[in-house]
Amino acid sequence: KQEVTQIPAALSVPEGENLVLNCSFTDSAIYNLQWFRQDHGKGLTSLLLIQSSQREQTSGRLNASLDKSSGRSTLYIAASQPGDSATYLCAPGRNEKLTFGTGTRLTIIP
Amino acid sequence: EPEVTQTPSHQVTQMGQEVILRCVPISNHLYFYWYRQILGQKVEFLVSFYNNEISEKSEIFDDQFSVERPDGSNFTLKIRSTKLEDSAMYFCASRPGTATEAFFGQGTRLTVV
Repeated sequence: KQEVTQIPAALSVPEGENLVLNCSFTDSAIYNLQWFRQDHGKGLTSLLLIQSSQREQTSGRLNASLDKSSGRSTLYIAASQPGDSATYLCAPGRNEKLTFGTGTRLTIIP
Repeated sequence: EPEVTQTPSHQVTQMGQEVILRCVPISNHLYFYWYRQILGQKVEFLVSFYNNEISEKSEIFDDQFSVERPDGSNFTLKIRSTKLEDSAMYFCASRPGTATEAFFGQGTRLTVV
């Protein structure tokens, strides 16, 4: 059974800093991994999808990496802004199912 | 930009009542899903649906749950006899093909009283 852990559980940084969110998963037999953001009490917004054959994927200020063999992914956010404040979830996918971590709650201090 | 839409955004129901949660997936997508998130907990997979049948379901998705695609646009989740522990945010998702990016709706918050 896939277990997904995200560290840290919460993070507060001043605006403008670069930061890294970590995700680890126990079953490396995945098809892909998707990162989402969730604003408080709201839906899930897809940020990036990395296929199992890829090492990284970039979208604007976001860069996600995947090391499938060691069961790790990181999400790098450059030049953080107050609008980046949200909970970030990683979800490795296998067959038709995504398995979610508990997330990292990010607060950007203006 | 196409999006997954869910209705209602919030539903309150009495224990033992049936509820139907509705979703309109993105129009050219072929794979459909329901997930749920109990307050303060992880998002959990319930069921996947492809080619008019369930392709995978979790232990949570017992006989009280059913899904249907009644027409070319809607995808529904029915809970036959709601329990207090069914209170959660229910998310619908869709994707165009297998192992592609999944897009989620804004969720329906179900409160069972």
